[in-house]
Amino acid sequence: QQPVQSPQAVILREGEDAVINCSSSKALYSVHWYRQKHGEAPIFLMILLKGGEQKGHDKISASFNEKKQQSSLYLTASQLSYSGTYFCGTETKAAGNKLTFGGGTRVLVKP
Amino acid sequence: DADVTQTPRNRITKTGKRIMLECSQTKGHDRMYWYRQDPGLGLRLIYYSFDVKDINKGEISDGYSVSRQAQAKFSLSLESAIPNQTALYFCATSDSRTSSVETQYFGPGTRLLVL
Repeated sequence: QQPVQSPQAVILREGEDAVINCSSSKALYSVHWYRQKHGEAPIFLMILLKGGEQKGHDKISASFNEKKQQSSLYLTASQLSYSGTYFCGTETKAAGNKLTFGGGTRVLVKP
Repeated sequence: DADVTQTPRNRITKTGKRIMLECSQTKGHDRMYWYRQDPGLGLRLIYYSFDVKDINKGEISDGYSVSRQAQAKFSLSLESAIPNQTALYFCATSDSRTSSVETQYFGPGTRLLVL
């Protein structure tokens, strides 16, 4: 089953913050976050493996709440380059190394 | 040079035609995947291969077939294309040997239009 991402879209002004959530109905082994620019391939941002783990990439960070079966991606002090569609990919122990992707969250950062 | 390449990048075909999309990688990864992307639906797994002799169906394999000709090559075929197979197709690779958690690396995509 596909993880659910929210919101579906968000519009930000440069410098504003945003949170993207990814929820699964199944127990998760890991959560992967990707960003895709229009017409381009998805680019890997980060993997979260352990419950409660937080990782950061520049001013983009993420957390993983294993108990709640969800992950959140935090865009802090957003930059124009953060615009794109963000996908979470979830991996369950049962599925074994296969990712199931959410429907994506479209982010537009305006000057 | 790109590590994961896909050919063609764009393709227009007619209903009923057989077409093949090709993926090559120079990353030396053992695992390869085919996804399709439709607006609002994210990426859905069509087929995946964990090594040359291993082929597995993903969530939406009907109407598709694959061939893993070598570790570096993974082809996707549409036996008889239909309009609802119009989509953006991505190939991806990962390496099972370096980590227990694998990052997937995507090719640039093939945009397919079935008339």
